[in-house]
Amino acid sequence: RKEVEQDPGPFNVPEGATVAFNCTYSNSASQSFFWYRQDCRKEPKLLMSVYSSGNEDGRFTAQLNRASQYISLLIRDSKLSDSATYLCVVNMFDTGRRALTFGSGTRLQVQP
Amino acid sequence: DARVTQTPRHKVTEMGQEVTMRCQPILGHNTVFWYRQTMMQGLELLAYFRNRAPLDDSGMPKDRFSAEMPDATLATLKIQPSEPRDSAVYFCASGSVGAGRTYEQYFGPGTRLTVT
Repeated sequence: RKEVEQDPGPFNVPEGATVAFNCTYSNSASQSFFWYRQDCRKEPKLLMSVYSSGNEDGRFTAQLNRASQYISLLIRDSKLSDSATYLCVVNMFDTGRRALTFGSGTRLQVQP
Repeated sequence: DARVTQTPRHKVTEMGQEVTMRCQPILGHNTVFWYRQTMMQGLELLAYFRNRAPLDDSGMPKDRFSAEMPDATLATLKIQPSEPRDSAVYFCASGSVGAGRTYEQYFGPGTRLTVT
């Protein structure tokens, strides 16, 4: 089992739709969680951190479920510019190689 | 707007040649990461440093790859000798880690390496 798993997609949605991605992680000691966005042939960019209480940034909402070991990203009122690959990152603080693990990404294509 | 910079942005070289990639982390960040990304493998962590000391380089092929931080403003990743399977995009990222802080990482634009 991979340490961090994501559905690769693609998720094809119309503009204005609400779309949700999940990411599961295998290490119950994982301590910090992030969502990154990566456009084609560009570097990953931090989208948002994921806090235990859940957090929202505009149209984006991130949730953490420690009991089931997954994080989620919800995008409301999706825009064409949201088309990208969304990477989840699971970190275990200060334990060497396993500390920094990226999922393989979920591709989102928003269509007009 | 502080950014991570990487040079060169593109590199084409022949098998067997030495390749050196450079990274300037964001000023004040104490942690630097090197990643490699390919279509097949996704994003792989090669090595990372905190306060210029190597914390983990277990992701690197030791016989040909080396990573160093000669000073706080420069990180290098060297491949010698290069092989076609090293063709990938190499990203550097930096972050600030302290007690209770988390690994928010900021990526450079990457070096696109092609080894023929």
